[in-house]
Amino acid sequence: GAVVSQHPSRVICKSGTSVKIECRSLDFQATTMFWYRQFPKQSLMLMATSNEGSKATYEQGVEKDKFLINHASLTLSTLTVTSAHPEDSSFYICSARDRGGGGYEQYFGPGTRLTVT
Amino acid sequence: AQSVTQPDIHITVSEGASLELRCNYSYGATPYLFWYVQSPGQGLQLLLKYFSGDTLVQGIKGFEAEFKRSQSSFNLRKPSVHWSDAAEYFCAVGRRAGGTSYGKLTFGQGTILTVHP
Repeated sequence: GAVVSQHPSRVICKSGTSVKIECRSLDFQATTMFWYRQFPKQSLMLMATSNEGSKATYEQGVEKDKFLINHASLTLSTLTVTSAHPEDSSFYICSARDRGGGGYEQYFGPGTRLTVT
Repeated sequence: AQSVTQPDIHITVSEGASLELRCNYSYGATPYLFWYVQSPGQGLQLLLKYFSGDTLVQGIKGFEAEFKRSQSSFNLRKPSVHWSDAAEYFCAVGRRAGGTSYGKLTFGQGTILTVHP
């Protein structure tokens, strides 16, 4: 149980285009999902907290208009990188908190490798 | 603000040897504490967690960790390391407070474990 998927696993896009990454909780409902960014050989940095049916809460320094987050249902959150640039190339990981599991534990997706050329 | 420090960036041990990975945290109250493991290019897998109660917690794959409030530490241990344990290990502290950021995790810098045969 408690499986989180991400799609796509890898994506290459051209500078200036937009890319959408999906995060799904497969066997549980997630009122809250989190989006992280991880640079090579570095730790995970929280980008934003996504709550179902409401606006995402962004961490300081994260551009809201560049990283659009939509949490349309209890099992799906999307991250759209708009007008992507090479510096946006990174490993993006989502996590989901189980609505019915006490609410403390996060389950992580396998990550999405974004390369902007 | 919560923070996590993993003092060791890289640790090398021989297969069969014991292991201890250090983690120190800063948090204004009793924290939620987690250890995750990440293989290259993959998401995070939860090894163990501490919420309350017994300060020695057992996890998967033979790992254990001990919460020491007086030292603000949550060190991860394994009595005998296997070659398959080679990976990167992250300690994280979780926010207990309410609001939209409830459950927000702050990660340490990570410790890369290399296992020699």
